Amino acid sequence: QKEVEQNSGPLSVPEGAIASLNCTYSDRGSQSFFWYRQYSGKSPELIMFIYSNGDKEDGRFTAQLNKASQYVSLLIRDSQPSDSATYLCAVILIMDSSYKLIFGSGTRLLVRP
Amino acid sequence: DGGITQSPKYLFRKEGQNVTLSCEQNLNHDAMYWYRQDPGQGLRLIYYSQIVNDFQKGDIAEGYSVSREKKESFPLTVTSAQKNPTAFYLCASRAGTGNPYEQYFGPGTRLTVT
Repeated sequence: QKEVEQNSGPLSVPEGAIASLNCTYSDRGSQSFFWYRQYSGKSPELIMFIYSNGDKEDGRFTAQLNKASQYVSLLIRDSQPSDSATYLCAVILIMDSSYKLIFGSGTRLLVRP
Repeated sequence: DGGITQSPKYLFRKEGQNVTLSCEQNLNHDAMYWYRQDPGQGLRLIYYSQIVNDFQKGDIAEGYSVSREKKESFPLTVTSAQKNPTAFYLCASRAGTGNPYEQYFGPGTRLTVT
């Protein structure tokens, strides 16, 4: 089982709709969760992080964390064509006092005009 | 400008040659990381360093080497022992204070070996 799993997509939504991206993780001890956006040919860009159960909102983005079910999701409201990208979920792994980010393989989002 | 720079953006090499990818940051970050990304895949950790003169192997270190002689610099050498070196290479750094978990990425180097 992969440590961080995402549906590869593509997830296709019409402009203005809500896009819902999901991620599950295997390590129950994980404490910190990140969403990165990556445009084709570019490096990942951090858009959200969440540590506590519940929702965290930032503009059109909402991250949701459910530690009991081991999933974290990202909602994008009022989706725009410019949101079309691959969204990478990442989880912190702490080993021997060092931090490592474990990434999922990403979900490709297509927002149709 | 503060940030992470990687050079070159594109790099072409013949099989059997070693090649060194540059990563420099002026963010005063303590930790630095090298990742590899293959098409349609997530990022896989090659090496990381939390302080100067110290580094650890990540999940796919075979065929790679690094050094961390200065806080600002973390070069990656792709050796001829790396079986499939063609990939997109990403360098990242992380502050040791404030929010210690946020990693920021450089623009990447796309390496093609033929």
